[in-house]
Amino acid sequence: GNSVTQMEGPVTLSEEAFLTINCTYTATGYPSLFWYVQYPGEGLQLLLKATKADDKGSNKGFEATYRKETTSFHLEKGSVQVSDSAVYFCALSDPNEKLTFGTGTRLTIIP
Amino acid sequence: DGGITQSPKYLFRKEGQNVTLSCEQNLNHDAMYWYRQDPGQGLRLIYYSQIVNDFQKGDIAEGYSVSREKKESFPLTVTSAQKNPTAFYLCASSLEGVQPQHFGDGTRLSIL
Repeated sequence: GNSVTQMEGPVTLSEEAFLTINCTYTATGYPSLFWYVQYPGEGLQLLLKATKADDKGSNKGFEATYRKETTSFHLEKGSVQVSDSAVYFCALSDPNEKLTFGTGTRLTIIP
Repeated sequence: DGGITQSPKYLFRKEGQNVTLSCEQNLNHDAMYWYRQDPGQGLRLIYYSQIVNDFQKGDIAEGYSVSREKKESFPLTVTSAQKNPTAFYLCASSLEGVQPQHFGDGTRLSIL
């Protein structure tokens, strides 16, 4: 079956540091890939997505590239802010449109 | 503004009691989903519905039930058969055949 493996957290960085959160997946066929963000006490918000190999999703300074050869979709941001503190989830969707989530990575940014 | 409304935000259940979590959307989405989130874990799919009057079990449906009588509404009942119901429950919706899913703000269920 499908699965998503995310970098273990928690991750703590200083403001303006470079961020990478690793995500790899196992799936049959060609899934779509997503990053969602969850702020404390809230639901999930879509951060970015990519629907085919070599696509780059980007939003709010975050980027991730769909790498079919390495089955990866790592999340990156060049300069993080305190407001980026949240839990980040990598996910994939199968042909039946069900989402499979990773376990989430908690990110804390220190001023 | 369009969106997904979950209520209540916090809910307490007594032993042996059924409770129902509400989920309403005004996005005109066809598909709706219920997930359970436990600390340190990802989201696990409980039930989903792609059309009115039809729904399918997800990965952890035991102890839960749903109905989909209206396009806008997809309530989840946590029955007394669910022995470990304490969790954060998230409802989501999407256009059929189109991702991504849009999420509500969740309901936190605890046992008294």
